[in-house]
Amino acid sequence: EPEVTQTPSHQVTQMGQEVILRCVPISNHLYFYWYRQILGQKVEFLVSFYNNEISEKSEIFDDQFSVERPDGSNFTLKIRSTKLEDSAMYFCASRLPGAASYEQYFGPGTRLTVT
Amino acid sequence: AQSVTQLGSHVSVSEGALVLLRCNYSSSVPPYLFWYVQYPNQGLQLLLKYTSAATLVKGINGFEAEFKKSETSFHLTKPSAHMSDAAEYFCAVSERVLTGGGNKLTFGTGTQLKVEL
Repeated sequence: EPEVTQTPSHQVTQMGQEVILRCVPISNHLYFYWYRQILGQKVEFLVSFYNNEISEKSEIFDDQFSVERPDGSNFTLKIRSTKLEDSAMYFCASRLPGAASYEQYFGPGTRLTVT
Repeated sequence: AQSVTQLGSHVSVSEGALVLLRCNYSSSVPPYLFWYVQYPNQGLQLLLKYTSAATLVKGINGFEAEFKKSETSFHLTKPSAHMSDAAEYFCAVSERVLTGGGNKLTFGTGTQLKVEL
């Protein structure tokens, strides 16, 4: 069964450093998402991406964040200058084109720890 | 704006007992509703979804949920709990509008289900 994969599973970085979180969505999916979950809090939407552009972003997704689909398979989330409050589990998701009822398939997440 | 409220951050049941996890939603347009399950160190897996075809929705692993518009609820149930059901469960809502790639999910805070012998 196809699945969304994410690397690395755990990333430790120092405050102010840049990090890139990587995701490989399911191959025939065209809609891509990033969510995050701060420890003990709810899963929050960050950004959605379709047709090589951001289609929606949350207030969390400020200028420090960017997304890219550099090739036909990867989907990345970059944080330019990490802050302590960026420590969280980051989930990538993807879904098929078409009806909005189609489920989003989630990856296992990357735990980002900013020290 | 859409939102989800899950009552009870922790629920404990005995093996074989009924599981009831509560979810109430708020949405300005007719919603799509989802239940996801997260096992330790894994991603979110879809249990079931409501997309207006039927108000009683059956999912995987014996779970089902009923959409009640009058109560703005989408509670998750399972007649008989199994030890393997121990996990965190998230209710989520998405607006029924095709926005060219949006359709973000808004999640509740999650309910940790514990199953005891």
